[in-house]
Amino acid sequence: RKEVEQDPGPFNVPEGATVAFNCTYSNSASQSFFWYRQDCRKEPKLLMSVYSSGNEDGRFTAQLNRASQYISLLIRDSKLSDSATYLCVVNLNNNNDMRFGAGTRLTVKP
Amino acid sequence: GAVVSQHPSWVICKSGTSVKIECRSLDFQATTMFWYRQFPKQSLMLMATSNEGSKATYEQGVEKDKFLINHASLTLSTLTVTSAHPEDSSFYICSAPILSHTEAFFGQGTRLTVV
Repeated sequence: RKEVEQDPGPFNVPEGATVAFNCTYSNSASQSFFWYRQDCRKEPKLLMSVYSSGNEDGRFTAQLNRASQYISLLIRDSKLSDSATYLCVVNLNNNNDMRFGAGTRLTVKP
Repeated sequence: GAVVSQHPSWVICKSGTSVKIECRSLDFQATTMFWYRQFPKQSLMLMATSNEGSKATYEQGVEKDKFLINHASLTLSTLTVTSAHPEDSSFYICSAPILSHTEAFFGQGTRLTVV
């Protein structure tokens, strides 16, 4: 089993749509969780951290379920500029031992 | 602004030559840095953990004699791809942790093309 598994994608959605990405992780001792965004030929950039209580940042909502070892990202009112690959990232310990999902590609179309 | 700087951003080299990639932490010390490789349409895969003043720790399947890592100072780690082959063509990226931050900070990445 992969350490971090994501929806395979790709997701092609119209502007204004709501899209949800899911992710599961295998190591129950994982410490912290993130969603990163990666544009083509660029380094990943932090989109948001994910907390058990759920957290929201504008159109983006992230959720963590430790019992199910499941992470989600919801994007509302999709914009063209949201087109990118979204990486689910799990930090195994506080030394930044990060494990990445394969990424889910999102294309938002006019 | 960037907290981790990686250089060069892209390089094309001939098969059989060696290529050095630098990763610098800006305004902070990094006793540990991580090197990743990303093939097209695939995720980032950890290659090795670079440790200042000691040997790097390589992930299973990564040849330590081919991918030489040197972490000689608290702000610089280098990855040298020796005797590069076309199959080494990939996106190489480093990251460095910052105390009190749990998220990773990445360099800009290096796109290596071996011809």
